[in-house]
Amino acid sequence: GEDVEQSLFLSVREGDSSVINCTYTDSSSTYLYWYKQEPGAGLQLLTYIFSNMDMKQDQRLTVLLNKKDKHLSLRIADTQTGDSAIYFCAERDDKIIFGKGTRLHILP
Amino acid sequence: GAVVSQHPSWVICKSGTSVKIECRSLDFQATTMFWYRQFPKQSLMLMATSNEGSKATYEQGVEKDKFLINHASLTLSTLTVTSAHPEDSSFYICSARDLAGKAYNEQFFGPGTRLTVL
Repeated sequence: GEDVEQSLFLSVREGDSSVINCTYTDSSSTYLYWYKQEPGAGLQLLTYIFSNMDMKQDQRLTVLLNKKDKHLSLRIADTQTGDSAIYFCAERDDKIIFGKGTRLHILP
Repeated sequence: GAVVSQHPSWVICKSGTSVKIECRSLDFQATTMFWYRQFPKQSLMLMATSNEGSKATYEQGVEKDKFLINHASLTLSTLTVTSAHPEDSSFYICSARDLAGKAYNEQFFGPGTRLTVL
């Protein structure tokens, strides 16, 4: 079945870059997403990438997709305290399948 | 951007009672709404897909008689947890897909409802 895997925890110093990695199994995924969830809140779509793209950049966010290896990454440049949250990788064919989320912790 | 609301945002109920959670798309129409369940420090697990005017499609392992879903209009879906038990305590999140259909078919998520069953 479909599966999305990502590391559960990442700790980064303020001002450094954060890189969150994700692997997925469904080769027919049309879109891949990164969502952000702050404590007690719903999900906020951060960015998405179409499956025929390799890279997408949006301000401080860079998404890299390696379709051959089914690997997706999210890079957050100049990480700020407000970036502290859980980041969910997700893939979509007919429905969205989420990973377990990576908790990003910012060190002062 | 599109807004999805949920009501209530939190609810505490006694074991054996039923609880209804509403999900509304405020500024767009959604033929399809989704209900997810999230346990602490866990991913969102899709429970069911709700289509306006038809029966919901439940994921494997989700009891349709326990989690009743009604999608009566293009802007409202409800989830009723019947005869709730403490193990039903969780964070329930709905999402709605915009009928207007952006290319990437984004689902807009509600803020979630925290259910605690005593």
